[in-house]
Amino acid sequence: GENVEQHPSTLSVQEGDSAVIKCTYSDSASNYFPWYKQELGKRPQLIIDIRSNVGEKKDQRIAVTLNKTAKHFSLHITETQPEDSAVYFCAASTGANSKLTFGKGITLSVRP
Amino acid sequence: DAMVIQNPRYQVTQFGKPVTLSCSQTLNHNVMYWYQQKSSQAPKLLFHYYDKDFNNEADTPDNFQSRRPNTSFCFLDIRSPGLGDAAMYLCATRPGQGWVQETQYFGPGTRLLVL
Repeated sequence: GENVEQHPSTLSVQEGDSAVIKCTYSDSASNYFPWYKQELGKRPQLIIDIRSNVGEKKDQRIAVTLNKTAKHFSLHITETQPEDSAVYFCAASTGANSKLTFGKGITLSVRP
Repeated sequence: DAMVIQNPRYQVTQFGKPVTLSCSQTLNHNVMYWYQQKSSQAPKLLFHYYDKDFNNEADTPDNFQSRRPNTSFCFLDIRSPGLGDAAMYLCATRPGQGWVQETQYFGPGTRLLVL
């Protein structure tokens, strides 16, 4: 089955700096890669996703890049703000079986 | 944007006392999921329904069961809760199959406490 790894487990950045979170996956058949943000005690919320037919997608301060050859995808947050502090989960899916495999999550802290 | 609703938001039960958690959705999505999320961990899939077709994860304990009486509602039954079942239980929905319909939308969760 699919295995998604996420490193590091914590990341601390200064407000205004960029943050990059990287995930790797094992199943070359995976073709859908969402990123979820989860604040303490709240639901995971989809912030951006990418499908295997594109290499990059951007939405304001957030971007995701995908390298199918290396089987990794990354979340890029520019001009970080304190409200970006949360746990971020990457996930992968082949689409066919409707199931997401999540990474373990990374805690991002943005220092004011 | 309360399109995936979970009730109750907090549930306290006693060790061994059956409990039912509820999820409803107004999105008319075909697929519904139940996840268990413990502190500082990723959501763990317990089972999912595609329409009425039930799909159980291999490592989901028999203590957990689910019902989906119609498109809008899905229930999680924990027959004999143990202390290790204390967690946040998340319901999620997805429009259906096909690669353009893969986004999962999560409900707010039910936090279960077992005394």
